[in-house]
Amino acid sequence: KNQVEQSPQSLIILEGKNCTLQCNYTVSPFSNLRWYKQDTGRGPVSLTIMTFSENTKSNGRYTATLDADTKQSSLHITASQLSDSASYICVVSQAGTALIFGKGTTLSVSS
Amino acid sequence: DGGITQSPKYLFRKEGQNVTLSCEQNLNHDAMYWYRQDPGQGLRLIYYSQIVNDFQKGDIAEGYSVSREKKESFPLTVTSAQKNPTAFYLCASSEGNAKSYEQYFGPGTRLTVT
Repeated sequence: KNQVEQSPQSLIILEGKNCTLQCNYTVSPFSNLRWYKQDTGRGPVSLTIMTFSENTKSNGRYTATLDADTKQSSLHITASQLSDSASYICVVSQAGTALIFGKGTTLSVSS
Repeated sequence: DGGITQSPKYLFRKEGQNVTLSCEQNLNHDAMYWYRQDPGQGLRLIYYSQIVNDFQKGDIAEGYSVSREKKESFPLTVTSAQKNPTAFYLCASSEGNAKSYEQYFGPGTRLTVT
């Protein structure tokens, strides 16, 4: 079954600290993997999109990695800010058919 | 939220009533999508349209209907047949097929049915 699993489900960190969110998938055939940030009560906003051949992609303080062999991705947030508090969603595109959405990781950054 | 607008932000309806959610985009995108988001669950696809006057059912189309008479508009009707309509509804658009192109999401409409 094509699935996208994210961990942890929720995370609380102090402002200024780094954190890493995980995404494991069993989607096949694989086309690309995306990370979205969704603020509470808003629509998701794209952070990165990676294809099979890309290992790392950065967007400011956000760095996504992809290991297509182990079917794992991570999103690393550096020097967290209060505005990073949001839900982070991993989405895997299945070639030729569907987008498979993870349930998201809820990040809370406290001062 | 790019060039996608959804209205209203909050919507309240009585059980048994149909309700239509608006979605408009000015990105000149061919494809548009409707998703439903429930707490603790990933986004689920309701309907999508790749071109004007054509649309396809997604994973959870039962109790919903759509139309695509104009490129920039893709309204969603939640009918009384939808058993659990209370949810957060997200509209999205993409230049082409979402599997290959970036999807842009609207701000969402929170529907509460009592």
